[in-house]
Amino acid sequence: RKEVEQDPGPFNVPEGATVAFNCTYSNSASQSFFWYRQDCRKEPKLLMSVYSSGNEDGRFTAQLNRASQYISLLIRDSKLSDSATYLCVVTPGRRALTFGSGTRLQVQP
Amino acid sequence: DAGVTQSPTHLIKTRGQHVTLRCSPISGHKSVSWYQQVLGQGPQFIFQYYEKEERGRGNFPDRFSARQFPNYSSELNVNALLLGDSALYLCASSYMTVPDTQYFGPGTRLTVL
Repeated sequence: RKEVEQDPGPFNVPEGATVAFNCTYSNSASQSFFWYRQDCRKEPKLLMSVYSSGNEDGRFTAQLNRASQYISLLIRDSKLSDSATYLCVVTPGRRALTFGSGTRLQVQP
Repeated sequence: DAGVTQSPTHLIKTRGQHVTLRCSPISGHKSVSWYQQVLGQGPQFIFQYYEKEERGRGNFPDRFSARQFPNYSSELNVNALLLGDSALYLCASSYMTVPDTQYFGPGTRLTVL
């Protein structure tokens, strides 16, 4: 079983739509959680950290459910520029970042 | 301020050869981590260095080695290259070790023929 599992997609949505991604993680000792965004053939860039209380950054909302070991990302009012691969990332203990395989989002005009 | 820099950007090698990849962290950052990203997968952790000491190692063979220099830059070395080593190699820097925020460089794209 992979440490971090994501639906690979692609999610094809029209501009203005709301889209949600989930990911699950296997290590209950994981301490920190993130969403990274990766454009085609570019490096990953931190989108936002994820906290148990939930956090929001503009059109992006992230949630963590420790009991069920899943993390979610909600994108409202999708823009063409949101098209990318979204990587779910956890840190089991103080080890390095553990990435999921990513979920591809394609926002269409 | 300059971000994480990596060199070279692209590299083509043949099986059995050796390769050295270089990374310069963001100024003031003391930790460097290396990741391998195969097409269609998320990055996989290879090494982490902090203050010139190895602080973590992923599940990679001994053909992979790394070091960090006094100026905090780092090298990743891969010996006896295999076709399966073809990937994007990413370097990430942070002020301290994980879970401190890591910032990624643009990567080195290695092709092994």
